[in-house]
Amino acid sequence: AQSVAQPEDQVNVAEGNPLTVKCTYSVSGNPYLFWYVQYPNRGLQFLLKYITGDNLVKGSYGFEAEFNKSQTSFHLKKPSALVSDSALYFCAVRDMTPGSSGSARQLTFGSGTQLTVLP
Amino acid sequence: NAGVTQTPKFRVLKTGQSMTLLCAQDMNHEYMYWYRQDPGMGLRLIHYSVGEGTTAKGEVPDGYNVSRLKKQNFLLGLESAAPSQTSVYFCASSYQGQSYEQYFGPGTRLTVT
Repeated sequence: AQSVAQPEDQVNVAEGNPLTVKCTYSVSGNPYLFWYVQYPNRGLQFLLKYITGDNLVKGSYGFEAEFNKSQTSFHLKKPSALVSDSALYFCAVRDMTPGSSGSARQLTFGSGTQLTVLP
Repeated sequence: NAGVTQTPKFRVLKTGQSMTLLCAQDMNHEYMYWYRQDPGMGLRLIHYSVGEGTTAKGEVPDGYNVSRLKKQNFLLGLESAAPSQTSVYFCASSYQGQSYEQYFGPGTRLTVT
């Protein structure tokens, strides 16, 4: 079974400082990994994804994420946080093991991390 | 393009009542999904569809039914609402293929009393 963990419910960071939102995953084969952001009373918006290739993935709004296979992690990062980055962030994983089907191909979301950027 | 839209935005039901949530997308996406979001639990997949006329169960399908009669629409039904179904419901769609990101609607906040 595939799973994803976001160990921090809440992350606070000062504006202008770098931010990291952590994500670890578990799949039996190769993962597809995604980050989504949710602003209050809105649906989720796609930020970035890792499918294959370069371990450092760049996405929307200056965010990037680093895929680390040995640590099974996909942490979201931004060099300089903005107050407008304050939102709920979700990591998601899909197991792309050849031959997997049905529920194994579904996207599994983490429980979310509330990011607050303080002015 | 409107993207993914959901109707209604809010609804209050009494236990045992029924209702249908409507999702529509104008991006010609093959795949559509219904999720529920509960505090501290992320999003959980209820049902999904990989094409017109097809549906499949997700992680938490009990108490819900779905239909995909038209490619652009995906309906979620609650036949007999229960307080445990109080949640925020999100519809999403994506291009065919597992590497594609999902596009989400704005959500429906449902309260069952």
